[in-house]
Amino acid sequence: KQEVTQIPAALSVPEGENLVLNCSFTDSAIYNLQWFRQDPGKGLTSLLLIQSSQREQTSGRLNASLDKSSGRSTLYIAASQPGDSATYLCAVLDGAGSYQLTFGKGTKLSVIP
Amino acid sequence: DTGVSQDPRHKITKRGQNVTFRCDPISEHNRLYWYRQTLGQGPEFLTYFQNEAQLEKSRLLSDRFSAERPKGSFSTLEIQRTEQGDSAMYLCASSPGHSSAYNSPLHFGNGTRLTVT
Repeated sequence: KQEVTQIPAALSVPEGENLVLNCSFTDSAIYNLQWFRQDPGKGLTSLLLIQSSQREQTSGRLNASLDKSSGRSTLYIAASQPGDSATYLCAVLDGAGSYQLTFGKGTKLSVIP
Repeated sequence: DTGVSQDPRHKITKRGQNVTFRCDPISEHNRLYWYRQTLGQGPEFLTYFQNEAQLEKSRLLSDRFSAERPKGSFSTLEIQRTEQGDSAMYLCASSPGHSSAYNSPLHFGNGTRLTVT
């Protein structure tokens, strides 16, 4: 059974700092890995999707990398802003006939002005 | 693109009652998913529809849970004989059908928060 772990559970940084969020998964036979953002009481917003054949994806100040063989992904946020404060969730799609994403518990990020 | 819409936003019910939630996906998205999220946890998959066909159901979806998507547009999730353990945020998501289901990002609604007293 796939398990996804996110470390740290919470992170507080001063505005302007670059930061890295970590995600690990136990079964490397995945189709894709997705990073989402969730604001309190809201749904999830898709940030980046990395296909299994890709190593990284970039969108603005966000860069996500994928090392499938080691079961790891990182989300790099450059020049953090208070508006980046949210919970960031990592999820993997195992495929093999299944359409379900397996999520980690998330990292709660606070960017202090 | 008005986003995924879920109704109601909040529902409080007494144990043993039945509840029904509605999800309207982004128009032209033929894939629809239901997830459940409890406090401090990531979402857990419940079920997946492609058009009107329910193609996958999680073992989490007990006999008290049923989901439908009768015309391949909106979907409903019904919970019968609710229990306190059903208290959670129920999230609906959709994705377009023009690309592979395995590489389409999901668009989530803001969820329905269920409290069972």
